[in-house]
Amino acid sequence: EVQLVQSGAEVKKPGESLKISCKGSGYSFSSYWIGWVRQMPGKGLEWMGIIYPANSDTRDSPSFQGQVTISADKSISTAYLQWSSLKASDNAMYYCVRHRVHGSSGYYSPFDYWGQGTLVTVSS
Amino acid sequence: DIQMTQSPSSLSASVGDRVTITCQASQDISNYLSWYQQKPGKAPKLLIYDASNLETGVPSRFSGSGSGTDFTFTISSLQPEDIATYYCQQCDNLPLTFGGGTQVEIK
Repeated sequence: EVQLVQSGAEVKKPGESLKISCKGSGYSFSSYWIGWVRQMPGKGLEWMGIIYPANSDTRDSPSFQGQVTISADKSISTAYLQWSSLKASDNAMYYCVRHRVHGSSGYYSPFDYWGQGTLVTVSS
Repeated sequence: DIQMTQSPSSLSASVGDRVTITCQASQDISNYLSWYQQKPGKAPKLLIYDASNLETGVPSRFSGSGSGTDFTFTISSLQPEDIATYYCQQCDNLPLTFGGGTQVEIK
């Protein structure tokens, strides 16, 4: 069974750093693009970027470029989303997602599996 | 970026009603259009991909159609468990973009 299991909720102060994780299981983790989607409170879905674990190739959304870092460790089937300095505007639920089609061109496909979400609260 | 315009933003219908949601892309995306369902407090779930293909395990009352810039999502007979927000998404170009969502309620 394919699963994406995310790390738990976080409460941080503005300016702090944070790294959240997403562990994949039940499939060949290296062969599928993994992405991150933000959902701010009461709002819609926003694509942040993706990574291909086999070679750590990434594609970032211009809206999030420079704001977050996406990485992966294929040896432990885990992807990460990282902030160096959190802002109040980073308050949101963050979902990791798997693209439906495997392979290096697979990012032109929908998300067939979603993690349970990691709630990030940034407050002074 | 490709803009996805979804309408209506919300609707209220009775159990058994036919429900239709539309999604318009700002440029031709062929059939690279997906639909997701998000129930309150849950992660979204893929229902339809490539405009009209039903994801495995999704009830047949859900369907999708369209190509190019105009797409339609239909629930043929609304059920109480269909209360959710529905999103369209284009997979033709990066950055991948979503519609604004349609909240479906029971009248």
